[in-house]
Amino acid sequence: LAKTTQPISMDSYEGQEVNITCSHNNIATNDYITWYQQFPSQGPRFIIQGYKTKVTNEVASLFIPADRKSSTLSLPRVSLSDTAVYYCLVSPDNTDKLIFGTGTRLQVFP
Amino acid sequence: ETGVTQTPRHLVMGMTNKKSLKCEQHLGHNAMYWYKQSAKKPLELMFVYNFKEQTENNSVPSRFSPECPNSSHLFLHLHTLQPEDSALYLCASSQVGGVGNQPQHFGDGTRLSIL
Repeated sequence: LAKTTQPISMDSYEGQEVNITCSHNNIATNDYITWYQQFPSQGPRFIIQGYKTKVTNEVASLFIPADRKSSTLSLPRVSLSDTAVYYCLVSPDNTDKLIFGTGTRLQVFP
Repeated sequence: ETGVTQTPRHLVMGMTNKKSLKCEQHLGHNAMYWYKQSAKKPLELMFVYNFKEQTENNSVPSRFSPECPNSSHLFLHLHTLQPEDSALYLCASSQVGGVGNQPQHFGDGTRLSIL
């Protein structure tokens, strides 16, 4: 399974756009990129998933360049409630074994 | 509300006790999972069940015994645990097991403390 690398932590202020980049240099052809969010004492929550180019939903956008060796989760106009750990996962379409890394701890300040 | 309910939310037990964690999903999913999240460590997959059949045991010690009586319920039976087993135990479900490009829905976990 492809290994991912993302920043350990990031700080932001309310109202700003936050971009969290994840590197996955050995991503395979049948791998999907998925992002989860986790608040303290809660389970992870699915945010967004993509294979290539750009995906957008009501919560976030996911940008994937043509070589797919990285991806960027974009959170528009963050609020204090977006303070959480964000996980980038890369997994093939023929397995449900999710491999979580240490994630990126996002702290949003007023 | 995630559609996945775990009970109890907190559990304190001695090393010689026997207890069980319960997970119930109301999403009509067919695959269920147990994960362990220790302090300062990534989530670790423990077990996978697909249509009530166990399809994955990620080298979990035998003091953890899963049970899946139907696609909506999943149990984790605990006995003779060690202090290092103290962690947040998370249950998740997905539509069908063995498929990667589908979200897993997590419960909020059981915080287990071993005395």
